[in-house]
Parts: sequence; C-alpha cells; structure tokens
Amino acid sequence: DVKVTQSSRYLVKRTGEKVFLECVQDMDHENMFWYRQDPGLGLRLIYFSYDVKMKEKGDIPEGYSVSREKKERFSLILESASTNQTSMYLCASSSNAGGVRGYTFGSGTRLTVV
Amino acid sequence: AQSVTQPDIHITVSEGASLELRCNYSYGATPYLFWYVQSPGQGLQLLLKYFSGDTLVQGIKGFEAEFKRSQSSFNLRKPSVHWSDAAEYFCAVGPAGGGNKLTFGTGTQLKVEL
Repeated sequence: DVKVTQSSRYLVKRTGEKVFLECVQDMDHENMFWYRQDPGLGLRLIYFSYDVKMKEKGDIPEGYSVSREKKERFSLILESASTNQTSMYLCASSSNAGGVRGYTFGSGTRLTVV
Repeated sequence: AQSVTQPDIHITVSEGASLELRCNYSYGATPYLFWYVQSPGQGLQLLLKYFSGDTLVQGIKGFEAEFKRSQSSFNLRKPSVHWSDAAEYFCAVGPAGGGNKLTFGTGTQLKVEL
C-alpha cells in the first residue's frame, strides 16, 4: 500500500524552538506539499516542491522554510516556533504521470507551541 | 484565480437519510475536481474525482458526485448515510500552476444523528 508518512502525530514545542516536521513518501512522486489546517480556514498551502532541491512558496510561507534533498523526503522547518503556529500540519504528494490524479495525504502532525 | 466554495460549514443528517454536500468552483478551463474526506485526527482520503467524460462519477463508500458545468458545481451525494460517515469533507479543484496544485474549499463538517 502506497504511503505518505509523517514522522510525528503529536508534537509539543516551546516558543522560540526550531521545529522540524518530516514527511516521506514511497510512491516516487515528483510533487510534495505542506499544508496547515485550522478550523474554519480549511487547508492553506505553506510550501510545495515539484522536484528535488526545488521549492515554491504557497499562500502562507511566512515563518516557515522547507528542504527537499531527496525525492522521497520533504521537511518543513519552523525557524523559531510561535504560538500562532499551533495547528494541524498535513503533508501530501502527487505524481505528474497520467495527468492530475490528486494528492495522497499523510495522517497529519498536530503541533502545539507553548 | 481558481477558487472553491463550500457554502455549508456544518450539516446534520439522520442516519439513513440522503445527503448532498455542495461545492461551487471558479476555474478558467476544464477543471479536475475532487472530493476528500477527513475522519477526526486523520489525514484526507480521496473519495472520488472527475476529469472528463460521464458527469456522474462514483466513488468509494457509496458516494457519488455530479459535475454541472453550467452551474460550476460538483456536489457530493449519498443515498443513505451511515453513522460512520460523520467526518469533514473537502472539495478541491485543479491544477493550478506548477506541481499540479489543488485549491481546496474550507470544508463541510457532517454530523450524523442516530
């Protein structure tokens, strides 16, 4: 079964800490995405990557950075965590093969910044 | 720019009743349309997708959706709801630029009364 795996389901961090959220996919997908999900706001795109070492800003990149050194792994970095970054973070991947097939999502990481 | 509107934030139905969740989109060309479901604390799972051809598409778990170009709608339906269908449902449209990005609606929370 194909999968997108997020390393942590729940994470509690302190304000000012540097936080790494890891995402790994085993489907050889070219595209990977990081979203945050907040009640009433739906899914908001933070960053995405369409190739190794390539990245593009999404709608809300402020306070975040990303890294994609290998095709299967896409990391989201909170340089200095703040309480307003408390949220559910979802990673997704998609393939370019065969047109637009939609995303495969990970189970999410619920991050609490205290 | 493309957009998705899900006008109903919350919907409550009785178990066994029929269900229709609304989705309206704005897109400059022929869209790819998707419905996803999210159970509490989980990632998003693809229910169904529309690319072309028959405007009535069947998905998993007994769901179907109808694409109506004239109304820019892609409403999700189920003839008889089960208690396990209680979840949040997201409509999405794409692609949008590099990486075959999707644009998501803000979601509809479905509650099922027994």
